[in-house]
Amino acid sequence: DAGITQSPRHKVTETGTPVTLRCHQTENHRYMYWYRQDPGHGLRLIHYSYGVKDTDKGEVSDGYSVSRSKTEDFLLTLESATSSQTSVYFCATGQGSSGNTIYFGEGSWLTVV
Amino acid sequence: AQSVTQLDSHVSVSEGTPVLLRCNYSSSYSPSLFWYVQHPNKGLQLLLKYTSAATLVKGINGFEAEFKKSETSFHLTKPSAHMSDAAEYFCVVIEPTSGTYKYIFGTGTRLKVLA
Repeated sequence: DAGITQSPRHKVTETGTPVTLRCHQTENHRYMYWYRQDPGHGLRLIHYSYGVKDTDKGEVSDGYSVSRSKTEDFLLTLESATSSQTSVYFCATGQGSSGNTIYFGEGSWLTVV
Repeated sequence: AQSVTQLDSHVSVSEGTPVLLRCNYSSSYSPSLFWYVQHPNKGLQLLLKYTSAATLVKGINGFEAEFKKSETSFHLTKPSAHMSDAAEYFCVVIEPTSGTYKYIFGTGTRLKVLA
């Protein structure tokens, strides 16, 4: 399995506060992704990156921003957390070619109260 | 746009009986398709993938899937369920977009294995 570490693994925060989730990979994969998982919705893509400082939006990007200053790190920021952002967040990485597998981290459980 | 539909949100089987998890896809060209498994409170793990080679794909833990273009299906099967197979399963298709690739997930099928 690819070395993908997410931090924090669990966080409770208050509405309106900023939150940053970190994804760190040791596989030198070009592509990194942030997904959120909610019951009945499967995994939905928030943002992805195809290289250092190269990012793009996914299907549920409102309220989220990302940054990638190094190949190995991909940060997801909730500028002002809302209760609707309570979810499980997964980071994934891959080489980005058709047919290539993407590998997942263990997830970050975020609760916004 | 590519998409996948998992036809059952929940499937229950008895231990030792066959497993069938259904997935239909929509794609304007020959797709790459995956099945991932997620055990409780864990990340997703690749079970198997189809990338236009053999239409019958074998994966880990005795699972296999058959790509049927005429039926636009990629159903996951296992001859004999084990208690450890209880998990959520996701069918995934790759969508090429703007020179890159996105992975589109189905909504998942939760497999329950009864003793």
